[in-house]
Amino acid sequence: SQQGEEDPQALSIQEGENATMNCSYKTSINNLQWYRQNSGRGLVHLILIRSNEREKHSGRLRVTLDTSKKSSSLLITASRAADTASYFCATGGVTGTASKLTFGTGTRLQVTL
Amino acid sequence: DTGVSQDPRHKITKRGQNVTFRCDPISEHNRLYWYRQTLGQGPEFLTYFQNEAQLEKSRLLSDRFSAERPKGSFSTLEIQRTEQGDSAMYLCASSTGFEFHEQFFGPGTRLTVL
Repeated sequence: SQQGEEDPQALSIQEGENATMNCSYKTSINNLQWYRQNSGRGLVHLILIRSNEREKHSGRLRVTLDTSKKSSSLLITASRAADTASYFCATGGVTGTASKLTFGTGTRLQVTL
Repeated sequence: DTGVSQDPRHKITKRGQNVTFRCDPISEHNRLYWYRQTLGQGPEFLTYFQNEAQLEKSRLLSDRFSAERPKGSFSTLEIQRTEQGDSAMYLCASSTGFEFHEQFFGPGTRLTVL
């Protein structure tokens, strides 16, 4: 079953704008990861944030994590047409299930010129 | 290319037939995972191996599904007596054994059951 929801389900922006997508989850986590998926390259890992971290940056990506609200956000700044893809958050469990990832339902991002 | 590879990339079969998929992980990764993804949904966990040991299986993995990783390297996923509901993308991923780890995904095998 899916861990939670991503919001919005679909997002359309123009090149150069920022894109923000949100992820909510249900159970305690060890870490949260964001992945990108497009038809050409499959699922690609973007960034991992541990449960004791609140914010993390990687290039044009900024991820926040609020474990009290069981939510995370992914910000893509200065978007490009090549950022067009589906974005998924995935959570790693606390113990026992720590290895598997539980994915959200995804946000479809369309970046137009 | 030293990424995760999967074979075949596409499989069309008739209901009731058996199918087998193969996954070759990144060579130094001791963990291997299988996920299933249907249209418009995120991947759902099926099972994972640490070396040759299968350590966890999802409830999604009915008795028609079996996975092996006999030598701790490549893995196979077999579906017996396929049903139309088995139509999906089957994804394989691998990772190191470190506590906080990203998973590297293969391109997937798209199964269509007619």
